[in-house]
Amino acid sequence: AQTVTQSQPEMSVQEAETVTLSCTYDTSENNYYLFWYKQPPSRQMILVIRQEAYKQQNATENRFSVNFQKAAKSFSLKISDSQLGDTAMYFCAFGGYQAGTALIFGKGTTLSVSS
Amino acid sequence: DAGVIQSPRHEVTEMGQEVTLRCKPISGHDYLFWYRQTMMRGLELLIYFNNNVPIDDSGMPEDRFSAKMPNASFSTLKIQPSEPRDSAVYFCASSLAGDRGRGGYTFGSGTRLTVV
Repeated sequence: AQTVTQSQPEMSVQEAETVTLSCTYDTSENNYYLFWYKQPPSRQMILVIRQEAYKQQNATENRFSVNFQKAAKSFSLKISDSQLGDTAMYFCAFGGYQAGTALIFGKGTTLSVSS
Repeated sequence: DAGVIQSPRHEVTEMGQEVTLRCKPISGHDYLFWYRQTMMRGLELLIYFNNNVPIDDSGMPEDRFSAKMPNASFSTLKIQPSEPRDSAVYFCASSLAGDRGRGGYTFGSGTRLTVV
């Protein structure tokens, strides 16, 4: 079974700084998807960025980028120029390539951005 | 589309009472998922449906939990009898099979359940 591990329960950063959230996963599959979701205090789950395992190029969405290391089964999220609105819990998630499987989430990392 | 709609947003109940959480998925989505979020365990998958049929309920913690999807526009998660350790936020999400690779889960806003 697939597992997702986020080893940093909490992190804090100052505005405008860069922060990296870690995620490792375990799978025997070769093709799959990886995601980062953001959950602000409102509780809403918001998709931040996604990566397809068969693509070597790291995904980027504005200030958010990932470092995908397939061999190491590592998928970290880098937030550049942190903003107060980035304060949230961040979840890493694994999605199997086959349509009949569900997303598996890590336990989350609570990020606090301060001024 | 109004998104995935969950009700109620908050629920406080006494131990031993029956609790029913409700979810209306996005019209046309063929997958529906129930997750539970706690500080200790993060987001756990409880059960999911494909075209109203339960596919995997291995995450349902015990027989006190049951879920149904009588039609494509409605699902319930029932806890009977409820216990204080069931206190958590319960999320419903829906998706189209073809959108999975694009992270096409749409989550509801969750139901915060407190059992006292």
